Amino acid sequence: NAGVTQTPKFQVLKTGQSMTLQCAQDMNHEYMSWYRQDPGMGLRLIHYSVGAGITDQGEVPNGYNVSRSTTEDFPLRLELAAPSQTSVYFCASSYSGQPANYGYTFGSGTRLTVV
Amino acid sequence: DAKTTQPPSMDCAEGRAANLPCNHSTISGNEYVYWYRQIHSQGPQYIIHGLKNNETNEMASLIITEDRKSSTLILPHATLRDTAVYYCIVSRFSSNTGKLIFGQGTTLQVKP
Repeated sequence: NAGVTQTPKFQVLKTGQSMTLQCAQDMNHEYMSWYRQDPGMGLRLIHYSVGAGITDQGEVPNGYNVSRSTTEDFPLRLELAAPSQTSVYFCASSYSGQPANYGYTFGSGTRLTVV
Repeated sequence: DAKTTQPPSMDCAEGRAANLPCNHSTISGNEYVYWYRQIHSQGPQYIIHGLKNNETNEMASLIITEDRKSSTLILPHATLRDTAVYYCIVSRFSSNTGKLIFGQGTTLQVKP
């Protein structure tokens, strides 16, 4: 199993450009989430999904869109990138229902810089 | 979900037990206590979780007070590799919400 795979690992965007951060998991997890982490701060939840076709907003959803057409994939879309979106983005997945014995599994992160 | 309060930083000598406290005085009956850690800039790593009873796994022990208003994560023999930010999270993860909200965590520095 590859776990949670995030691509790309690094990205530099110009203000106003758009891009999609990819997240894929091969553990048949129903729950998936996107977080951002700014320097010296904790993780903030952007969007999450409890299953294919179902998404919901987290703490800081503005400027980001998500879709969940399959169980495996949960892409994060930035339509008009802004310097304030410079951050490290983490994707995570977990089993649904009762707390999983191993909690959320996190990817290794995408480091995004918007100039 | 209930909020948590953790000290911003702690030190521990290598080989000694590290005891990380967490206050969650507004926890409700169906909320679990979760602990994660983040080493340097890696993705967070799940450590342990519990509801009422004390829990132990290969990484750590979790002690939850009888009134459930606080808990302590214990790393029995801390090593330099345990230096990380430790997050205590309270969540109704067992429902269909599926989300975890992170706070600021405790930065644990294990010293030789």
